[in-house]
Amino acid sequence: AQTVTQSQPEMSVQEAETVTLSCTYDTSESDYYLFWYKQPPSRQMILVIRQEAYKQQNATENRFSVNFQKAAKSFSLKISDSQLGDAAMYFCAYRNPPQGGSEKLVFGKGMKLTVNP
Amino acid sequence: GAVVSQHPSRVICKSGTSVKIECRSLDFQATTMFWYRQFPKQSLMLMATSNEGSKATYEQGVEKDKFLINHASLTLSTLTVTSAHPEDSSFYICSAAGRLMNTEAFFGQGTRLTVV
Repeated sequence: AQTVTQSQPEMSVQEAETVTLSCTYDTSESDYYLFWYKQPPSRQMILVIRQEAYKQQNATENRFSVNFQKAAKSFSLKISDSQLGDAAMYFCAYRNPPQGGSEKLVFGKGMKLTVNP
Repeated sequence: GAVVSQHPSRVICKSGTSVKIECRSLDFQATTMFWYRQFPKQSLMLMATSNEGSKATYEQGVEKDKFLINHASLTLSTLTVTSAHPEDSSFYICSAAGRLMNTEAFFGQGTRLTVV
């Protein structure tokens, strides 16, 4: 079974600075998807960024980028120019490609990010 | 992105009663819906996966007679917590994925259930 590990339960960053959230995973599959989700105090799950394993290029979405190291099974999220609104729980997630139906997400334990003004 | 609406956002019920939570996909056909439970400061725990027109597949340790899931249409799935007890108090979240959405699922806003 696939597993996702987020080893840092909490981190803090100064506003406008850069922070990197780490995530490792374990799978025997060669094709899969990886995600970072944000859960603010409202508890709405928000997709931050996703990466297809077959793509070597790291995904980027504005201030958010990933460092995807397939051989090391590492998938870190970099937040640049941190803003107060980035404060939230961040979950790393893994998903197999669909096989007939949609496949479930496997989540890490999450990491609480605090942004200091 | 696609919109998933979950209702109610908060519900308080008496111990022993049942409560139903709805999850609707508003602008796409959800062939698969997932139900999660989340305890405070913890990750999402998958309870069950439901495919439209089929019986739900429950994760190990989840009582299917306690948490009834119905996915009768391509836009609606319901989770009914039967004979609720205080230990069932939690945050419940649904997510939905369509046949053509082979990369991501979309989440509802969640439901805070309190059993008194």
